[in-house]
Amino acid sequence: QKEVEQDPGPLSVPEGAIVSLNCTYSNSAFQYFMWYRQYSRKGPELLMYTYSSGNKEDGRFTAQVDKSSKYISLFIRDSQPSDSATYLCAIQSGGSNYKLTFGKGTLLTVNP
Amino acid sequence: EAGVVQSPRYKIIEKKQPVAFWCNPISGHNTLYWYLQNLGQGPELLIRYENEEAVDDSQLPKDRFSAERLKGVDSTLKIQPAELGDSAVYLCASSPRQTGEQFFGPGTRLTVL
Repeated sequence: QKEVEQDPGPLSVPEGAIVSLNCTYSNSAFQYFMWYRQYSRKGPELLMYTYSSGNKEDGRFTAQVDKSSKYISLFIRDSQPSDSATYLCAIQSGGSNYKLTFGKGTLLTVNP
Repeated sequence: EAGVVQSPRYKIIEKKQPVAFWCNPISGHNTLYWYLQNLGQGPELLIRYENEEAVDDSQLPKDRFSAERLKGVDSTLKIQPAELGDSAVYLCASSPRQTGEQFFGPGTRLTVL
């Protein structure tokens, strides 16, 4: 079992839809949870960063962490064509362990 | 503030040829990372530097890959000789500290023919 599992999609939705992206992880030591967005031929950019169970909201984006189930989600409300990208979850152990473990990424297309 | 700069953006070489990638991190960022991203996969860490010291190179294939970060700023990643399986995107990232947010460059897309 991989440390981080992410459904690669692809996922295609109409503009305005609510998008749900998910990852599961296996290592209970993971403490920090991130979502990166990667446009085609660009490097990943950080969207959301959280370290506790519960929800964190930033504009149209909500990151949700459930440590008991080892499950993290990213919700995008009122999705826009500009949200079309690959979304990568990334998890970090914390402490002296810097290492980011990425999921495979989910390719999202928002159709106008 | 300028982001992480990488060059070249694209490189096409014949197998068995050498190739080098260059990275200039964000000013003041002590930690620098090189990642490999294959098509349809997330980035995988190759090497991490704290200033000029390589503190984790356990994932770097040392028979053909080498890296350096002279003076703790710019870094170069080299492959010699390149193999067909090395075709991928090589990403550089930097962070102000080892557990801080990592800022990625645009990557170098390598094609080995």
